[in-house]
Amino acid sequence: AQKVTQAQTEISVVEKEDVTLDCVYETRDTTYYLFWYKQPPSGELVFLIRRNSFDEQNEISGRYSWNFQKSTSSFNFTITASQVVDSAVYFCALIGSARQLTFGSGTQLTVLP
Amino acid sequence: GAVVSQHPSRVICKSGTSVKIECRSLDFQATTMFWYRQFPKQSLMLMATSNEGSKATYEQGVEKDKFLINHASLTLSTLTVTSAHPEDSSFYICSARDPGGTGYEQYFGPGTRLTVT
Repeated sequence: AQKVTQAQTEISVVEKEDVTLDCVYETRDTTYYLFWYKQPPSGELVFLIRRNSFDEQNEISGRYSWNFQKSTSSFNFTITASQVVDSAVYFCALIGSARQLTFGSGTQLTVLP
Repeated sequence: GAVVSQHPSRVICKSGTSVKIECRSLDFQATTMFWYRQFPKQSLMLMATSNEGSKATYEQGVEKDKFLINHASLTLSTLTVTSAHPEDSSFYICSARDPGGTGYEQYFGPGTRLTVT
């Protein structure tokens, strides 16, 4: 069985602050992929990143960065200089050998002006 | 990129009626599609896996006679909520697996918001 835990239910920051969203996962598979999705109020899932289990390099995309650490089974997501448009629910997800996605419970991020 | 559409985006129906939601892969053939349900302020929960030409596989606790899934072609899967009740009101999202990839990629539709009155 696989599991994804997002312990932060809600986070509120003021614009321009940095914020890190935590994600911890459990799986017995050696090959797996981790994802982050953004879900704005419209509901449509926006794909942010995919990482496979063999690639532990951190990634930066604009104001977004991801820290993947297999030793702690974590895949954390940092938004630098947050903006109001970043307000959304963010989901971390895992897919393993069963090819089924397991989502975390999500973190509601609110960025205040 | 791979695009998945859903129709309708929003539907309101009366209690006791049935409603059909369509999920289409627009630029690739999807042998496998997935249906998720999301209640307000909750995560996405997998309801069923739909395989083209065969019966869907339902997750534990999902009533297969209530949520009918048909995957009759490589680009279309449908979810029919039969005899809908207010507790079925939810956000339904489909995804499609791209067989041309590693098998780990799923592409999501924009979702269908169902309200049962």
